[in-house]
Amino acid sequence: DTEVTQTPKHLVMGMTNKKSLKCEQHMGHRAMYWYKQKAKKPPELMFVYSYEKLSINESVPSRFSPECPNSSLLNLHLHALQPEDSALYLCASSQDRTGWFTEAFFGQGTRLTVV
Amino acid sequence: KNQVEQSPQSLIILEGKNCTLQCNYTVSPFSNLRWYKQDTGRGPVSLTIMTFSENTKSNGRYTATLDADTKQSSLHITASQLSDSASYICVVSGEEDSSYKLIFGSGTRLLVRP
Repeated sequence: DTEVTQTPKHLVMGMTNKKSLKCEQHMGHRAMYWYKQKAKKPPELMFVYSYEKLSINESVPSRFSPECPNSSLLNLHLHALQPEDSALYLCASSQDRTGWFTEAFFGQGTRLTVV
Repeated sequence: KNQVEQSPQSLIILEGKNCTLQCNYTVSPFSNLRWYKQDTGRGPVSLTIMTFSENTKSNGRYTATLDADTKQSSLHITASQLSDSASYICVVSGEEDSSYKLIFGSGTRLLVRP
């Protein structure tokens, strides 16, 4: 099983709503990532979790709050978002963070629209 | 500054034709280079991953080459199919701010026409 599963596939939320994006993998990977991708742009790293601890926060606004309840799950809690936060949110996982020949697997993404 | 540059930005070819996409990088130290295929609105799917000691790697109709000396890579697609229409992203794994990160190119958008 080399699958990273993201839910929901699509999400429309108002600027006062609170919602969560979910990501799950069962490959035994100990590094998990959140990326944000705007149309026709490459993915931008938001957060990295390594062994269930937050190891990188790329200066992401606090309206995005990541959570890693266990080694298989990664959540992204959303609150008071702005329309410019509308994007494709991608989750990825890899065996670890060393970067040496570690394959990174991406989920299908959640298309988020903030209205 | 670590950078990955891809060319062309976009490409239109006829079904059945071959094409080659280019990737130049300035990432140092270099760990590995990956090519991903991304359909619109979907997550990237890995095509190949190569370390500095590998020159060529194939995955079906996709063949990637790597020249670690000149820091160039190419992705060759043979006998293109309509389903090859997608963005192709070159990603280099390298060290930045004391940790390994994936550094993405801006991608080449390929359209295969019947």
